[in-house]
Parts: sequence; structure tokens; C-alpha cells
Amino acid sequence: QKEVEQDPGPLSVPEGAIVSLNCTYSNSAFQYFMWYRQYSRKGPELLMYTYSSGNKEDGRFTAQVDKSSKYISLFIRDSQPSDSATYLCAIQDSYGGSQGNLIFGKGTKLSVKP
Amino acid sequence: KAGVTQTPRYLIKTRGQQVTLSCSPISGHRSVSWYQQTPGQGLQFLFEYFSETQRNKGNFPGRFSGRQFSNSRSEMNVSTLELGDSALYLCASTRTSSGGEKLFFGSGTQLSVL
Repeated sequence: QKEVEQDPGPLSVPEGAIVSLNCTYSNSAFQYFMWYRQYSRKGPELLMYTYSSGNKEDGRFTAQVDKSSKYISLFIRDSQPSDSATYLCAIQDSYGGSQGNLIFGKGTKLSVKP
Repeated sequence: KAGVTQTPRYLIKTRGQQVTLSCSPISGHRSVSWYQQTPGQGLQFLFEYFSETQRNKGNFPGRFSGRQFSNSRSEMNVSTLELGDSALYLCASTRTSSGGEKLFFGSGTQLSVL
């Protein structure tokens, strides 16, 4: 079983829809959870991060972590065409050490149609 | 504040050649990580440098190497290129704060091996 699983999509939604993106992970030692957004021909940019179970909100984006189920989600409200990108989850099992501990999902490609 | 700068943006090489990619991190960031991104494998960790020392290494053959200079700029080198080395090579610098270590990516170098 891979350490981080993410549905690659593609996911296509109409403008204004609520989008739900998800990842599952296998190692309960993971403590830090991040979402990156990657536009075509660009590097990933950090969108959200959290280190505890529960919800974290930032504008139209909400990151949700359920450690008991080893499941993380990113919700996008009132989706816009500018949200069209690939979304990658990233999970880390330690802090203050090496980036070798950061595991990325393969990304979900999202398209928001006007 | 300037972001992570990677040069060149695009490269075309032939099998057997070698290539050197360059990365300038965000000012003040001392850790630089390199990733390979392909459609099939997603983002895969190559190595990380901190204060001119390799701190961690991913599961790549010895043809992939890197170094970091005293000004935190980093280079990675791939020798004896193979067709399978065609990928987007991303560099990221790290800011450590509460909630985990946050990576800031450059736009990458798109390498095509013919």
C-alpha cells in the first residue's frame, strides 16, 4: 500500500460548485498536512497547512483532517475558473528535520468550467 | 521578496549527455530540496541540502547528484542521461515555522531527453 493515495481525476465542475479533494494515508505517524496548488508549467505553491485534526479555513478554502480515518480533504467553495489547476496533498511525519519526510500525493487535476 | 529561481526553464539533451540545473532559493532560506516530477510517478524527492551539506537523499541512482554553495544556491547534475530522465525538475527552499516546514517551489526546469 502506498503511503499517500490521491485520486488523479480529472475532476470537472461548473463555476460556483463546491469542490471536494481528498487523500488517504497509511502511516499514523504523519502529523503535518499540506495542500499545494500547481498551475500548468509552474511549480507547486503552498495553499493550506495544518497539523491537527479538524478544520482550517482560509477564504474559500477549507482543509479538513481526520487522523482516526487517516483521511484529509480540501474543500473549495464558490469555485472559479482560476481554481483550475492540479492539487497535491503533502504529508510529513516529523518537523524541523529533513524534507525527505515529506510525502506528496500524485495530484488531482481540477477544471472549473465557466 | 524574490521567489525561488530556477535556470534554465527548458532543456533538450540527448541520451548519454550530462546536464546541470541551477536553483537560487528565497533569501534567508538555508535548505534547498530537489524533486523530479513526471505524470506517472508524481513528485519524487531527490535530495536536500542544508548549509552546504546533503541532509537527506531519495531513492535515485548515483547519476543524480547535487551540491549547495555558501550563498545557499544549489545545483543538481545528472550524468549519462537516459530517456526516462525526461521530467520537470523542481527546486524548493524551506521556511521553518510552527505547523511544519513549508516548501516554496520554483517554476522548474523542463528536461527533455531525446
